[in-house]
Amino acid sequence: GAVVSQHPSWVICKSGTSVKIECRSLDFQATTMFWYRQFPKQSLMLMATSNEGSKATYEQGVEKDKFLINHASLTLSTLTVTSAHPEDSSFYICSARGVGGRSTGELFFGEGSRLTVL
Amino acid sequence: AQKVTQAQTEISVVEKEDVTLDCVYETRDTTYYLFWYKQPPSGELVFLIRRNSFDEQNEISGRYSWNFQKSTSSFNFTITASQVVDSAVYFCALSGLGSEKLVFGKGTKLTVNP
Repeated sequence: GAVVSQHPSWVICKSGTSVKIECRSLDFQATTMFWYRQFPKQSLMLMATSNEGSKATYEQGVEKDKFLINHASLTLSTLTVTSAHPEDSSFYICSARGVGGRSTGELFFGEGSRLTVL
Repeated sequence: AQKVTQAQTEISVVEKEDVTLDCVYETRDTTYYLFWYKQPPSGELVFLIRRNSFDEQNEISGRYSWNFQKSTSSFNFTITASQVVDSAVYFCALSGLGSEKLVFGKGTKLTVNP
């Protein structure tokens, strides 16, 4: 079964609204989580690295004020797309590298969240 | 800079055929990891294999096998006796040793027809 869970799986929102996507590690503590973005028929591009208890590290070209990341606990990271626009429509995938529990330090990926902005 | 190239955008085979997915990578790191992931239509990424650059032994896992050739910077993936359930997009990825950031190829969409 999944060890990293994302919610919601899909979301449709109006332009200008904000959308929050959650990424949870189910049975291990994830000190570091990663957020990727995947355009249709494209590869995954790393957006940011989320570290528990500290600020996220964003990749070049990713607007930190647009994509807010919060990693408030060892099992939860959230990505908030603020003032979403149609060009933000994409498939967002998180991954987690953990310690303890079932984790062996491998990266586990969530099921992904498909965002459609109208 | 790191780069992963999957030249095959789409492959279509008939069930029971063998199929090889190509992956060529570029890195300046002397130590690194290579990965293959499967992304079925549902969207989640399924981990298939991780190989470190020190280990050039080929690996077999059931119908899956991987051929790592450091001399040609390739890490090809072969599915033997393909099945319809193998239909998915397959991604090859690379990370530096000690780095958790994965650089993905563009993926190869495999369709296995009955």
